[in-house]
Amino acid sequence: QVQLVQSGAEVKHPGASVMVSCKASGYIFSDYYIHWVRQAPGQGLEWLGWINLNDGAPRYAQKFQGRVTMTGDRSISTTSMELSGLRSDDTAVYYCTRGSGTVVPAPAARFNPWGQGTLVTVSS
Amino acid sequence: QAVVTQEPSLTVSPGGTVTLTCGSSAGVVTSGHLPYWFQQRPGQAPRTLIYETFNKHSWVPARFSGSFLGGKVALTLSGAQLEDEADYYCLLHYGGDWVFGGGTKLTVL
Repeated sequence: QVQLVQSGAEVKHPGASVMVSCKASGYIFSDYYIHWVRQAPGQGLEWLGWINLNDGAPRYAQKFQGRVTMTGDRSISTTSMELSGLRSDDTAVYYCTRGSGTVVPAPAARFNPWGQGTLVTVSS
Repeated sequence: QAVVTQEPSLTVSPGGTVTLTCGSSAGVVTSGHLPYWFQQRPGQAPRTLIYETFNKHSWVPARFSGSFLGGKVALTLSGAQLEDEADYYCLLHYGGDWVFGGGTKLTVL
């Protein structure tokens, strides 16, 4: 079945960078976008951006531009999100979720499924 | 960036009906915003309920429905069950970017 499996929890110091990976299975990797979403403890969901796995083009939320980088590796069906300049308020669970089709729109596929989430803790 | 607004909390009695709404600071919510609704239970990842305003995934019970309501988009739960107690988030599309609402904590009591 369609599945996204994320890398494990991370603990980082302020100012450091973190990379979270998301491995896809059960579908053709390059046929869909991947979105990244985060959720701080006790807070709501926040969209970070997406990456087109067909051409590698990303789009980042304005808030994160300059700090976030999303990449994809078709050979291992894995996409990664790197966040730099970490602050304590970056402490959150980070999720990847599939987007719509890169060639043919697929609204039912958008935001379905979700990875299990990766807790990133930023602490000195 | 637009702000997407939801009721912070709502309570519904078992078997009752409740409507959650999702508005935009940019104006009327339309189909062009590609509205999505998600359910999130404690400790779990979000799960998509409704996509593009009205459409439901196969796992979504018939008691959930999506619609437009007074310039906003709405999620209606008819015949609430205890298992529907959760956080609900809407998501709107703005020219390539996506913005989540702040979420509604739904209590079934």
